[in-house]
Formats: sequence, C-alpha cells, structure tokens
Amino acid sequence: AQSVTQPDIHITVSEGASLELRCNYSYGATPYLFWYVQSPGQGLQLLLKYFSGDTLVQGIKGFEAEFKRSQSSFNLRKPSVHWSDAAEYFCAVDTGGFKTIFGAGTRLFVKA
Amino acid sequence: EAQVTQNPRYLITVTGKKLTVTCSQNMNHEYMSWYRQDPGLGLRQIYYSMNVEVTDKGDVPEGYKVSRKEKRNFPLILESPSPNQTSLYFCASSSQIRESSYNEQFFGPGTRLTVL
Repeated sequence: AQSVTQPDIHITVSEGASLELRCNYSYGATPYLFWYVQSPGQGLQLLLKYFSGDTLVQGIKGFEAEFKRSQSSFNLRKPSVHWSDAAEYFCAVDTGGFKTIFGAGTRLFVKA
Repeated sequence: EAQVTQNPRYLITVTGKKLTVTCSQNMNHEYMSWYRQDPGLGLRQIYYSMNVEVTDKGDVPEGYKVSRKEKRNFPLILESPSPNQTSLYFCASSSQIRESSYNEQFFGPGTRLTVL
C-alpha cells in the first residue's frame, strides 16, 4: 500500500542554521511529490512539488527538495532558517489516481 | 482573490445532530477534496470529487457524506455525528488541467469541529 513516512515528529533548529526534513514514500512508480507548510491556525500552503525532470526542485521561501528514487525519499532543505519558518511541514504523495496521501507531519521549532 | 472558503470555522455540536460544513472555491477547479487532521496522523482523505456529480471515497469515509451538484461547492455532511469525528477539517481544490499548477491543492482555512 502507498504510504508516506516523516520519521521526525518534531525538530528544533537554531535561527540561521540549516534544516533538513526527511520524507520517505512507498509507491511502485514515480509519484507526484509535494511539501506543504501549515502555520499555526492556518490551512496548508504548497512549498514545492516534483512531477518529473530535474530531481532538485526549488520552492517558495527559500526551500528546496531533492527526489532520490533509489532511496524513495524527498527531503526538504533550507540553508538558513528564519524564526518565521516555525510551523508544521507535511510531505504528500499523489499517485495519479486522485488520492493524496500525507505524512504525519514534522513540527519545526526555531530557537533564537 | 483566488480562495477556498469553509463555513463554519468553529462548530460545537452534540452526538446525533446532523450538520453540514460548506466548502466553496472560486478558481473553477475540477477537483475538490475533504480531509480531517488529527494529532500524529497528519491529514487523511475523507472524500474527493473529480468533477460535478463525480465523487469517491478516500481513506476514512465512514460517517460522512458529500455531494457535488455545482463545480464550486463541495459540502461535507455528517448525518449523525459522534465524538470520534471531533477533528480539524480541511477542504481543498485543484486543477486537473496540465499546466504549471496541475494537482497543486489549495486549502481552505479549516473547520474545527467538536462533537460532545
């Protein structure tokens, strides 16, 4: 069955430090992959997506993610975290059948 | 402004009292979906709709109904709510036309439902 795993329930990073949030998926073919961010009390906003082509994708707010087929991973990265990045981050997989599977989320805390 | 709206934003009700949460989008999207968000479980898909009069079950459809009579609206109906349906609900829509925004889901602000 298709699934998405975000191994880290929460992560704490110092402001200005780099960030990597992990995402692993289980799906036979190459899926559509997404990262969404949810700020407190808000809905979800798309950060970036991967459909095909270049495996390193750039998103909004300085985020990027790399698709690694051999590892079934789609990790999210940011070189320098800002306090405003504190939020919950969701990795999602769309298998092309109109169903989207979300990971459980990783909550990011940013230390001053 | 392109947006997905949900009403109400907050709702407290009692077991068994039928309720409807409305969802509307102004982007002419074909695809709409309902999710529930619970701590530690992320978002789970309840129902989705590929277009008018076309709906299908997601992963957790029990206890919910939907309808898609118009392209812009996709209400979620709880005929007999129970406490285990206490959750945060999100509606989302996306375009199924192959362009740059293909399959990007736009989310509403959420509806926090408490069933006593």
